[in-house]
Amino acid sequence: EVQLVQSGAEVKKPGESLKISCKGSGYRFNSYWIAWVRQMPGKGLEWMGIIYPGDSETRYSPSFQGQVTISVDKSINTAYLQWSSLKASDTATYYCARSLFRTSSGYFDYWGQGSLVTVSS
Amino acid sequence: QSVLTQPPSVSGAPGQRVTISCTGSSSNIGAGSDVHWYQQLPGTAPKLLIYGNNNRPSRVPDRFSGSKSGASASLAITGLQAEDEADYYCQSYDSSLSGSVFGTGTKVTVL
Repeated sequence: EVQLVQSGAEVKKPGESLKISCKGSGYRFNSYWIAWVRQMPGKGLEWMGIIYPGDSETRYSPSFQGQVTISVDKSINTAYLQWSSLKASDTATYYCARSLFRTSSGYFDYWGQGSLVTVSS
Repeated sequence: QSVLTQPPSVSGAPGQRVTISCTGSSSNIGAGSDVHWYQQLPGTAPKLLIYGNNNRPSRVPDRFSGSKSGASASLAITGLQAEDEADYYCQSYDSSLSGSVFGTGTKVTVL
């Protein structure tokens, strides 16, 4: 059974750093892209970026370039999303999702359960 | 800021047919990129509903169907049921952004 299991909810203060995780199982982790998607409270889905575990090729949405870092540790089938200095506006639920392709045929067939990040002083 | 535009809401009585539009541009749907659809029930992660414009995963009932024409796509739900009340999002690839984009989202209400 394919599963993407994300790390738990986090409460942080502005300026703090954070790294959340997404562990894949039940499939060949290195052969599928992993994307990160933001959903701010009461808002829609936003594609943040994507990484290919096989060679760590990474692409970012222009809106998130320089704001977050996407990485992977293929030895433990885990992808990461990290911030070096959180802002209140980073408060959101973050989803990871897997895709076989990065381009025009790329759809997300399995999703993690979501990680709620709350940034408040 | 999404580049795929959807109506904020649609509604229908049980058993009726509703459609949700997804309007893109020449850098995404109009360029030939496939359109995919997701259903997000309240408080849960999105689930794949339609992929490759008009294909359904095996677990998705055939009440859901997708189509694409030019720079737009549509999701149709026939025989509307109470359990279909959810948010629906389209998704495609945008060549100018070199990445995926989601639609603005549509809330479906069953009257």
